[in-house]
Amino acid sequence: DAGVIQSPRHEVTEMGQEVTLRCKPISGHDYLFWYRQTMMRGLELLIYFNNNVPIDDSGMPEDRFSAKMPNASFSTLKIQPSEPRDSAVYFCASSLARAGGQFFGPGTRLTVL
Amino acid sequence: GQSLEQPSEVTAVEGAIVQINCTYQTSGFYGLSWYQQHDGGAPTFLSYNALDGLEETGRFSSFLSRSDSYGYLLLQELQMKDSASYFCAVIFMNTGFQKLVFGTGTRLLVSP
Repeated sequence: DAGVIQSPRHEVTEMGQEVTLRCKPISGHDYLFWYRQTMMRGLELLIYFNNNVPIDDSGMPEDRFSAKMPNASFSTLKIQPSEPRDSAVYFCASSLARAGGQFFGPGTRLTVL
Repeated sequence: GQSLEQPSEVTAVEGAIVQINCTYQTSGFYGLSWYQQHDGGAPTFLSYNALDGLEETGRFSSFLSRSDSYGYLLLQELQMKDSASYFCAVIFMNTGFQKLVFGTGTRLLVSP
């Protein structure tokens, strides 16, 4: 298996623009997680899905953030409009069980100017 | 709320043994995980403990004491490639959902 795939790997955009991050989980994994990592706040869980259904989105910072999982092999995290404070590395992870080990993608480094 | 404490940095030499401690405070505790992250890389799952005791995987072992709200990661026969950040993460139940919170990480520096 290719592991968790994320795109783009790097994104530079201007404040106010819409940003869409993409994730393909490991085939067969039924849990998908979105994280954000910054020096100031560390690694934060934003939202997670089980069988394509959002289970807990309490970590989503604001209404500007939204996430979807239209099918078992694809998820998106959208920021609209983006702000400089959204600059971070965004990771997607998938797992077979809620409490089991999570497999992380390579991350998307987002810079909002 | 939930809180995790782990040392910010640990140094050791090649071949040595190092222990990274993690104490936590949370209700609805479910389990404790450990992840490794090299600079510029993604977190990599190392271990998961739901029950008290020691779990061994090669050179790495992880321990949990639920009564003490404490766990540790033990790295043996240290190698230079083990220089990385190590995160403990607590899994707990909250409002019917299972949530995971990461610690702030321990930076391990292995020297020759």
